[in-house]
Amino acid sequence: QSVLTQPPSASGTPGQRVTISCSGSSSNIGSNTVNWYQQLPGTAPKLLIYSNDQRPSGVPDRFSGSKSGTSASLAISGLQSEDEADYYCAAWDDSLNGPVFGGGTKLTVL
Amino acid sequence: EVQLVESGGGLVQPGRSLRLSCAASGFSFGDYAMNWFRQAPGKGLEWVGFIRSKAYGGTTEYAASVKGRFTISRDDYRRIAYLQMSGLRTEDTAVYFCGRPYSTTLFHAFRFWGQGTLVTVSS
Repeated sequence: QSVLTQPPSASGTPGQRVTISCSGSSSNIGSNTVNWYQQLPGTAPKLLIYSNDQRPSGVPDRFSGSKSGTSASLAISGLQSEDEADYYCAAWDDSLNGPVFGGGTKLTVL
Repeated sequence: EVQLVESGGGLVQPGRSLRLSCAASGFSFGDYAMNWFRQAPGKGLEWVGFIRSKAYGGTTEYAASVKGRFTISRDDYRRIAYLQMSGLRTEDTAVYFCGRPYSTTLFHAFRFWGQGTLVTVSS
């Protein structure tokens, strides 16, 4: 049981916009910034969004993040086949004194 | 170029110990906290623990699931972070990753990851 809650799956067709939600509590998302990771099969996670809505260099602007209260979301516009991956949200948890992750959302590009 | 390379994984019997290493290059290793994560087969990511830089006391924090059994240490001269695992259980079976934060201040966004090393706990 993950501390942060994500839908297990999401899907979309090429060119569409999809969003993935992430729900937490006052000890994590409610009081700290949210990061998002993309993980392709058999590879290490890749930082996609940090500090709620910032993109590391090299991440396309098709990816965007937002946060409100104890929830956050990742949006992917202009969906491409290479976006098919697992996506994880994460945030520092003040009660656990460490980062916590969502269970992951498997994105399928139809 | 920042590189992190884990090693030391393998098959180990329940109750035994194993030490993983994370060799770093391409950045000032001593300035950064170093983290360990794991991912059980077909499951999500789990934070294992981290060690702060010497500037922040070099202290450690652990997830409840490993506290008292796992120990993280660092050798800044050799640029290596270690994860000493003892009292291993079958549920510790996972790919273990080391990770470096985005910056020395943005300590909980992990920009750089190793390729992972598989630990299998089985009799």
